[in-house]
Amino acid sequence: DAGVTQSPTHLIKTRGQQVTLRCSPKSGHDTVSWYQQALGQGPQFIFQYYEEEERQRGNFPDRFSGHQFPNYSSELNVNALLLGDSALYLCASSLGLTHPGELFFGEGSRLTVL
Amino acid sequence: AQTVTQSQPEMSVQEAETVTLSCTYDTSENNYYLFWYKQPPSRQMILVIRQEAYKQQNATENRFSVNFQKAAKSFSLKISDSQLGDTAMYFCAFMKRQGAQKLVFGQGTRLTINP
Repeated sequence: DAGVTQSPTHLIKTRGQQVTLRCSPKSGHDTVSWYQQALGQGPQFIFQYYEEEERQRGNFPDRFSGHQFPNYSSELNVNALLLGDSALYLCASSLGLTHPGELFFGEGSRLTVL
Repeated sequence: AQTVTQSQPEMSVQEAETVTLSCTYDTSENNYYLFWYKQPPSRQMILVIRQEAYKQQNATENRFSVNFQKAAKSFSLKISDSQLGDTAMYFCAFMKRQGAQKLVFGQGTRLTINP
């Protein structure tokens, strides 16, 4: 049973560019959350998707957007990249409210903005 | 808004020793969950232990146990008989019982187990 998979694992962009990160949830999971983890910090909640809709959003600007597909996979898009967007982006999946807070994380996508 | 504070940026112990990681949090909620997550050097975050605020009994998972003090808003993690594989970043996290499953993480404690 594959866990949460994310792609790409590493990428380098320049300021002003746009990036799309992808996530496939653990088999059977219907909820996907995205977190940003700056170096040496704890993860910060970006948003969560359930049934293809954004359920909740953290304190991130509109440059950060997402999408969930019918197969529950998800994308995170970041427009007009800033140097401060450099971070590890973590995707986490869960199964509704059956196991509260039991998130399964991917290994992340390391974004470097130059 | 909820905040989670881990006051120990780094800790180091010898293999087989017992170590306790500290966490405090601030919330006006009465019903919530608390968690400890482990992030090994390979980066994949995994759940170590979960505590439900309405349960007075402290959660335990094998060598891992917590000391939950609701009034003091304190939630420490004790690792007994520490092993080399316990080396990782440990994050304390908070989640409201109602609503979306949004975790609020602390800054983390880097734990090193020495042989």
